[in-house]
Amino acid sequence: GNSVTQMEGPVTLSEEAFLTINCTYTATGYPSLFWYVQYPGEGLQLLLKATKADDKGSNKGFEATYRKETTSFHLEKGSVQVSDSAVYFCALSPSSGGYNKLIFGAGTRLAVHP
Amino acid sequence: DGGITQSPKYLFRKEGQNVTLSCEQNLNHDAMYWYRQDPGQGLRLIYYSQIVNDFQKGDIAEGYSVSREKKESFPLTVTSAQKNPTAFYLCASSPVDRNTEAFFGQGTRLTVV
Repeated sequence: GNSVTQMEGPVTLSEEAFLTINCTYTATGYPSLFWYVQYPGEGLQLLLKATKADDKGSNKGFEATYRKETTSFHLEKGSVQVSDSAVYFCALSPSSGGYNKLIFGAGTRLAVHP
Repeated sequence: DGGITQSPKYLFRKEGQNVTLSCEQNLNHDAMYWYRQDPGQGLRLIYYSQIVNDFQKGDIAEGYSVSREKKESFPLTVTSAQKNPTAFYLCASSPVDRNTEAFFGQGTRLTVV
């Protein structure tokens, strides 16, 4: 079946540090891949996406590349800010089924300190 | 502004009661979804709907019911059969296109007292 595995948190960083949050997936075919962010007490917001192999999604300094050969979609940012503190979810949308029925990882909490 | 509205933001329920969570969207999306989020866990799909008057069970549908009488609305009822209903509930909508992201509401936090 389809599944998403994320690195466990929390991840604690100092401001301006480099961020990597690992995400790997299991799926048949070519799913679409997403990173969502959730701030405390709120819903999820799309951070970035990639819909085919080798695509790079980017937004607000965050990047992730769709690697079919390693079934990965790791999230990176070169210099984090305190305002980036949130929970980050990796998700996939299967390549069949017609719906945009997302399958989520468990989420990784990021805490950035000044 | 287009978006998804969930209400209420906080909801308290006594054991044995049914409660209904509201979800309304004005994005003209065909598909709508309900997810449950528990502390430290990812989101789990409860129900989803692609078109009006049609919906499908997700991974954890037991103890929940939905209706889709209008394209804009997808209310979720948490019944007394749901043994552990305390959680954060998120509604989402999207076009029926796996390459397009889903849009989420702000969530409803349900607590059983």
